[in-house]
Order: sequence, then C-alpha cells, then structure tokens
Amino acid sequence: DTAVSQTPKYLVTQMGNDKSIKCEQNLGHDTMYWYKQDSKKFLKIMFSYNNKELIINETVPNRFSPKSPDKAHLNLHINSLELGDSAVYFCASSQRLAGGNEQFFGPGTRLTVL
Amino acid sequence: GQNIDQPTEMTATEGAIVQINCTYQTSGFNGLFWYQQHAGEAPTFLSYNVLDGLEEKGRFSSFLSRSKGYSYLLLKELQMKDSASYLCAVREVFGNEKLTFGTGTRLTIIP
Repeated sequence: DTAVSQTPKYLVTQMGNDKSIKCEQNLGHDTMYWYKQDSKKFLKIMFSYNNKELIINETVPNRFSPKSPDKAHLNLHINSLELGDSAVYFCASSQRLAGGNEQFFGPGTRLTVL
Repeated sequence: GQNIDQPTEMTATEGAIVQINCTYQTSGFNGLFWYQQHAGEAPTFLSYNVLDGLEEKGRFSSFLSRSKGYSYLLLKELQMKDSASYLCAVREVFGNEKLTFGTGTRLTIIP
C-alpha cells in the first residue's frame, strides 16, 4: 500500500565508500525527485526525472548519480562518500503538468558518514 | 536569485489560532505550496495557491498575495498533533516541477 518507498531507511558507512539508495512509487506518476535535507532541516532538490528523462539537475557534486530504469523507480548512487554527505535523502513523485503538482514524499533515508 | 523567508520557530497554545508567514523573491512564480513535516517523518502536502486569495481546507487555510510576494498558513483550533515544521515552497515555472523550499517554521503547541 506504500505510495513512495525507499530503501534502506538508515545507512551508516565510512568515508570513501560507495552506496546506493533505491526508490519506488506505485502512484502511476511520471515524475520523480531526489531531495537532500541537511541538519538544519533545509530541504533542497537535487534531481528530477520525467519518464526516465533527467529534467532537473541542480548543482550537485558528480559523485552523485541518479538512475531511472523506468518511471516508477529512481535510484541514487553516491561515490566516495564524504562527511558532508550526511543528511536525510527523500525521494518524491508527482504527476507533471497537473496544476497543483502535489509531491508525495517517501519516508527518507538517513545517511550517516563516519 | 531565490529567497524564501519564514520565521524559524513559533509557539502557540492548544485551541488557539496561529499564522505562519512566508515571503518570497523569485525570478518567476507559478504557485506556492505549504507542506507539513513531523519530526523524523516525510513532508506531506497541505495546500497550493496560484491565484491571489484565501484557500480553505478544514482547520487549515492558506493565503497568497502575488504583488506582495507573500503567503501565510493559518491553523485554527490548534491540536497537540499540529506540532511540526511547516515548509513554504515556490514553483517558478509551470511544467518545470522544481520546488524551492524555505527553511521551514518549527511550530510547538503547548497545552
């Protein structure tokens, strides 16, 4: 029944490692997003895909690489993790060009880099 | 550049009314959104305004003045469960789908 799901919920890892976060939505939406929420709770968009096509690519280090195998999935791979990558990462989805563009958020992945 | 401002923290009493303000300066405007986020949880959508005026949804209402770059979220009959962060977000271009969020207002309800 979960609309937007993410795995894992918690991720603790050492600096320099590579890790992936997965996201899936079963709402039939055509657009998916990755957000980063830092320790001050500031929520900032990183990437967005519409029907597997990248449409938003904010100023993010190229260690972060999103991949969308289909419009229901958007994964985030992070290479060479740094301390500053510690944050909560939220996946979201919406239907593009739908007036209100209500975005539905996943439960978040709390990443801690040691 | 983009600038979206909200008060950092507010406190209100159970049963009362509280108004959370948001001012924005963005290069474009095509809608203002309010989200609620409880501690440790995901943001959830509350309201959307694209035209000037008041939108009411039960205990929550949201107001927009595009000429003033200003919005507020009004919460009535406050309940303890309303203790949460409230995030204001602006969409600058229709179809772009990018939301720029303010820093959020942490609201604490006291008995």
